[in-house]
Amino acid sequence: QKEVEQNSGPLSVPEGAIASLNCTYSDRGSQSFFWYRQYSGKSPELIMFIYSNGDKEDGRFTAQLNKASQYVSLLIRDSQPSDSATYLCAVNTQNTGGFKTIFGAGTRLFVKA
Amino acid sequence: DVKVTQSSRYLVKRTGEKVFLECVQDMDHENMFWYRQDPGLGLRLIYFSYDVKMKEKGDIPEGYSVSREKKERFSLILESASTNQTSMYLCASTPGGAGRNSPLHFGNGTRLTVT
Repeated sequence: QKEVEQNSGPLSVPEGAIASLNCTYSDRGSQSFFWYRQYSGKSPELIMFIYSNGDKEDGRFTAQLNKASQYVSLLIRDSQPSDSATYLCAVNTQNTGGFKTIFGAGTRLFVKA
Repeated sequence: DVKVTQSSRYLVKRTGEKVFLECVQDMDHENMFWYRQDPGLGLRLIYFSYDVKMKEKGDIPEGYSVSREKKERFSLILESASTNQTSMYLCASTPGGAGRNSPLHFGNGTRLTVT
């Protein structure tokens, strides 16, 4: 079982719709959860992080965390063509002396104009 | 603003060559990481370091080694490059201490091709 799993997609939504991206993780001791966006040929950039159960909103983005279900999601409201990218779910897990970040394989999102 | 600089954007090396990938960060971060990214596999952790002269194996360390002689610099070494090490390599850093909630700051990546 992979430590962090995402549906690879592609996920296609029309402009203005809500895009829903999902992620599950295997380590119950995971502390922090991140969503990164990666455009083709570019490095990942942070969109949001969350570490408490519930929802966290930032503009058009909402991250949701359910530790009991080991589930993280990202909602993108009013999707724009510029949101078309690969979205990476990442989880911090405990390691000797500190934490390491493990990534899912990413979900490709296409927003159609 | 944190800057993580990788020395080369593109590299082409021959099988069997020793390859050095360099990464420098300018924000006094304790933690530094090397990932490789391949289509369909996402980012996979190769090695990381929490302090100078300290290193920890990630999930796929075979065929790689690292060096951290100074806090700001973390080098990835391919002792004898092989074609299956053709990949995008990403360096990242975070502050230590309460770093469990800190996101990774990435460099621009090095696209390595081994022929």
